[in-house]
Order: sequence, then structure tokens, then C-alpha cells
Amino acid sequence: DMKVTQMPRYLIKRMGENVLLECGQDMSHETMYWYRQDPGLGLQLIYISYDVDSNSEGDIPKGYRVSRKKREHFSLILDSAKTNQTSVYFCASSFGVSGNTLYFGEGSRLIVV
Amino acid sequence: DAKTTQPDSMESTEGETVHLPCSHATISGNEYIYWYRQVPLQGPEYVTHGLQQNTTNSMAFLAIASDRKSSTLILPHVSLRDAAVYHCILRASGGSNAKLTFGKGTKLSVKS
Repeated sequence: DMKVTQMPRYLIKRMGENVLLECGQDMSHETMYWYRQDPGLGLQLIYISYDVDSNSEGDIPKGYRVSRKKREHFSLILDSAKTNQTSVYFCASSFGVSGNTLYFGEGSRLIVV
Repeated sequence: DAKTTQPDSMESTEGETVHLPCSHATISGNEYIYWYRQVPLQGPEYVTHGLQQNTTNSMAFLAIASDRKSSTLILPHVSLRDAAVYHCILRASGGSNAKLTFGKGTKLSVKS
């Protein structure tokens, strides 16, 4: 079953706390992505990972970092969360980087107070 | 990636055939046209994609203009489950720069 799983689905943190969002996929996809989506806006790309320890900044990387130590697992880390990082975060994966279909997780809803 | 233009919203009635337009006047030769849809509280779902020829699958028919500057996603006999935001996206093939850029999309409402 092709699936992208995100944990946690819902999270409330205080400003300044660290946040760890985790993503797993069972399709052996090389490429994984982190997006955020805010009301009224489209998805904004934060980071791309092309394989283990091969990560690249997307359009809005500031305030975020990522970790990919296993092909099936991709983490998004917020060191010292800010209120403007309140958002819905989506993880996705694809087979290769040559324009193939992206499979998305169900999202992680983060509120920073 | 080149930009796309879509209407903000469209309305339909169950059973109708819906035509969702997308304009991409500056599309490059190696860019595929992708369509995704998203319902509230879920991630985007792949619908279809094409390069030059019209394509069809169980979800939709994608009609691509001969000059590739526009395309239309055709949803036959829509149901309430087809209500979603539909995103038209261009994605270049090959290389490490291939990534999707999502805009606001078209919000399709379906009434019974």
C-alpha cells in the first residue's frame, strides 16, 4: 500500500520551543519534500531531499532544517519555533526527480503560541 | 517553473461535466502539466498529467491545446466527493530542479 505517514498530526508548542515533525514513506522513493500551507495560499516548498543526507533548500527554508538518515524517513525541525510558523505542514515523496507524481501525507497542523 | 493562471472558484451540480481551465502561456518545451486536487484537512492528491497529447484516466480527461499554452481538466459526471481545490501545475522533467510550485488553485463546489 503506497502511503506517506506524518506524525504528529496535531501539535501545539510555545514560542521558543523546538519542534520535530516526522514523515515516513513505504515506497522506497528517493525524493522527499516538506511544504507548508497557510490559509488562502498555495503550498510553499521548504526543503527537498534527493536521498539520504542529500538535502536542498526550497523556496522558504529560513527557520527550518531537515534530516534524512534513512531513505524512508524525512524529518523537519524547527529550532526555537516562532508564531509565524503556525501552519499546516505537508510531507511528500516521489520516485526520482524527473517530474514524477508526488504522494502527499495528510498533514501536520502546528500551532505556535 | 513557468506560472499558471486558474479561476479562483467554480460551481457545479451533481451529474454535470465540469471543465476546469488553466492558462500557462510561458510553458517550456520540457514542462509537464500536472493536476492535483485537495480536500480540506488532507494532502493534495494526484489527478493526472500530460505533456502534449490529451490524456484520460479513471478520474479525469486532460485536454491540452495544440500550442500547449492552455489546458482543461474535464471531470465527467461530478459527485459531491469531487468538491475540492484543483491545482494546475507545471513541472520540468529531469535534473535536480524539478519541483512543483503550487498556487491557490480553483475551488470547485458541487451541489446536490
